[in-house]
Formats: sequence, C-alpha cells, structure tokens
Amino acid sequence: DAGVIQSPRHEVTEMGQEVTLRCKPISGHDYLFWYRQTMMRGLELLIYFNNNVPIDDSGMPEDRFSAKMPNASFSTLKIQPSEPRDSAVYFCASSLNLLSSYEQYFGPGTRLTVT
Amino acid sequence: GENVEQHPSTLSVQEGDSAVIKCTYSDSASNYFPWYKQELGKGPQLIIDIRSNVGEKKDQRIAVTLNKTAKHFSLHITETQPEDSAVYFCAASIGFGNEKLTFGTGTRLTIIP
Repeated sequence: DAGVIQSPRHEVTEMGQEVTLRCKPISGHDYLFWYRQTMMRGLELLIYFNNNVPIDDSGMPEDRFSAKMPNASFSTLKIQPSEPRDSAVYFCASSLNLLSSYEQYFGPGTRLTVT
Repeated sequence: GENVEQHPSTLSVQEGDSAVIKCTYSDSASNYFPWYKQELGKGPQLIIDIRSNVGEKKDQRIAVTLNKTAKHFSLHITETQPEDSAVYFCAASIGFGNEKLTFGTGTRLTIIP
C-alpha cells in the first residue's frame, strides 16, 4: 500500500485566496483525521471522520475552514479566504477500527504558506 | 478537555546512553497513550503505545511506563543510536485511539555520536 497520500506537498498562496488540500486515506481504513502543525500550537486535531461522517469538528478554528469526505477514498480541507496565520503544515491521517491496534497512519503533510 | 504536557522540549544524549521523555495528562478518563516519532519532513509515526490496564510495555530498545494515579507516562529509549534523532510526541485519548488524540508539545531528541 502507498500509505496516506496528500496533495499538494507545498502550497503558496496570497491572503484572501481559496486553498484546497486533498487526502487519500489507506484503503480499507474507516477513520480519517485532519491535523495542523505549527511551532506555536504544536499538533492540533482539526476534524475527524468515521465512515465518511464528520464526528468531531471542534478543532476547526473558524468558519473559514471546512472539510468534506464524499467517499471512503477522498477527503478535502478547504480554507476560504486564507490568511497568513493559516500558514502551517497540514497532516491527514487514517486508521482502522481494530481493538488490537489504534495506530493512526499519517501522510507526508502539506506545507501551506499564505503571504 | 484533555491537556497533555511534555518535558523536556529538547534533549541531547551521547550515543549509547539512555533517553527519557515524560508526559502528564489532566483527564483521569484517558485510557490510551501512544508515542509518535516525527523525522524531518515526514508525518508522525507510531512507535509504541500503552493502554490504561498496563503499567509498562517494552519493544526492543523502547519502553513506556504509565502511572495512572499520578497521571503521567514516560518513554524510555536505551542504547540510543543516531537514527533515534527526531521529534517525539506523546498523546492521550479518552476514547479509543481511533478517536480524538491530544498531543503533547514534542521533544526534539538529538543523539550525539
């Protein structure tokens, strides 16, 4: 398996523009997580899905952020409009609901820079 | 909500020596405690985890201990090697690990050859 796939790996955009980050989870995994990593705030959970349904979005910072999971193999995180403080590395992770293992598999991340 | 504190933020040890990273958590309902390793330019990767019904778990040179009464858990790496250099994160979960994880702030471990 190729692991969790994220695109793009790097994104540079201007303030006010819409940004869409994409994630393909590991096939068969039924949980999907979006995290944001910054030096100031560390690794924060933004939202997670179970079987394509959003379960907890309490970490989504503002209404400018939205996430969707239209099917089991694809999810997007959208920021509209983007602001400089949104600059961070965004990770997607997936996991399988097994009592024997709770491991979350992280993708390589998308480094977002908003100028 | 859950709050996880991690110490130290940076740690340098001589190759072959041991390294210890400590975390405390606030919610006594937490029952799952994983440790993740993040190498430069990569996403975090699980290296070991422990559940609330176990006090200690070992995997080769890595061990984790849990003290539920004191609400703290620690990562121990013995016989450190250069490839152990990375950022290590502890985390805690109230539900199962498939659900919400609260991460510590990370420890940058540097192994000195």
